[in-house]
Amino acid sequence: QVQLVESGGGLVKPGGSLRLSCAASGFTFSDYYMSWIRQAPGKGLEWVSYISSSGSTIYYADSVKGRFTISRDNAKNSLYLQMNSLRAEDTAVYYCARDRGLVDYWGQGTLVTVSS
Amino acid sequence: NFMLTQPHSVSESPGKTVTISCTRSSGSIASNYVQWYQQRPGSAPTTVIYEDNQRPSGVPDRFSGSIDSSSNSASLTISGLKTEDEADYYCQSYDSIQRVFGGGTKLTVL
Repeated sequence: QVQLVESGGGLVKPGGSLRLSCAASGFTFSDYYMSWIRQAPGKGLEWVSYISSSGSTIYYADSVKGRFTISRDNAKNSLYLQMNSLRAEDTAVYYCARDRGLVDYWGQGTLVTVSS
Repeated sequence: NFMLTQPHSVSESPGKTVTISCTRSSGSIASNYVQWYQQRPGSAPTTVIYEDNQRPSGVPDRFSGSIDSSSNSASLTISGLKTEDEADYYCQSYDSIQRVFGGGTKLTVL
């Protein structure tokens, strides 16, 4: 069965950095686009970034462009999100998701809190 | 860029039918599939409708989806409402560049 397990969330000060990881299993990771999606407390879902199966195509939401970097390691079946220059408004649960243009599997999410 | 607009909230009584709309701001609603997710508090979203009108296994046939090109919108209809249907519902679609979620609709079954 498909499993996506995020890790790396936590409390960080404004201006700080954090790296999220997502361990994938139960499918051929290298065949699929992958995405990061976030949800601020009490708010809706926001697509943050996606990466193609080979890593050659990448998209970022305007809200994170220039600060966040998505990457993947197909040999390790892993997806990453490097988050720099974090702001209070980046506080959210971050979900790893398998992406077909539409999401067919979600991780359980990892909470990132940006606060002094 | 396009946006998907949903009503902020809807409410209906148990046993009744409710429809949640999702209107695409630009580009045709029919050009890319629409998917609907249900999210209960503290949980990740789950799919209730995929590819405009398909139901995943395990989702009751009380849930149905459709698109209407004349209004450039998609709809999620839930019939025979149950208290367990109370949740947030999000539509989602995409184009060649972006993936877009609607703002979400809080369904209250009272």
